[in-house]
Amino acid sequence: LAKTTQPISMDSYEGQEVNITCSHNNIATNDYITWYQQFPSQGPRFIIQGYKTKVTNEVASLFIPADRKSSTLSLPRVSLSDTAVYYCLVGDGGSSNTGKLIFGQGTTLQVKP
Amino acid sequence: KAGVTQTPRYLIKTRGQQVTLSCSPISGHRSVSWYQQTPGQGLQFLFEYFSETQRNKGNFPGRFSGRQFSNSRSEMNVSTLELGDSALYLCASSLDGPGGTNTGELFFGEGSRLTVL
Repeated sequence: LAKTTQPISMDSYEGQEVNITCSHNNIATNDYITWYQQFPSQGPRFIIQGYKTKVTNEVASLFIPADRKSSTLSLPRVSLSDTAVYYCLVGDGGSSNTGKLIFGQGTTLQVKP
Repeated sequence: KAGVTQTPRYLIKTRGQQVTLSCSPISGHRSVSWYQQTPGQGLQFLFEYFSETQRNKGNFPGRFSGRQFSNSRSEMNVSTLELGDSALYLCASSLDGPGGTNTGELFFGEGSRLTVL
């Protein structure tokens, strides 16, 4: 069974870069690693997805080492509106677990002015 | 384009009752997956349906079941409710498989908040 570990919380200031790392072992070999953002009383919202190395979109970057045992979400120049909970999502490893998804515990990011 | 719609948004039940939650996916999306979110256990995968077939299942007891209709709308049912079933139940749709497989970006609804007394 895949296991994920994220920091429970992080604090930052406006304009800083924030890096949130998720450790994940025994993940599905062929699956992507995805990150979601969730605000109170809302469902999670897709941020970024990658398989290996580095992926960048208009809001974030995702770094995945070759062994895929961790991933780091990087948020450049955060603002107050980035205060939210961030989850990593991986596929469970093992043929009997194909298609089962595992969310990280979530990292609550508090951005201060 | 309309997002994922879940009904009802809030409901209160008592132990032993059963509940049915509904999810309407984004038009054109064929995969619907369900998740339970609680403060203690976080987000947990329940099951995923694609073309009216359950394709994947998480580690929940048989009291949790679901189905998908030909128009991709989905329902989940929880029978013999327990206090521990109090949670936010989230539905997500995607074009094909759920997040983590293929292109799998999940689009979530706002959830149905179930309280079991």
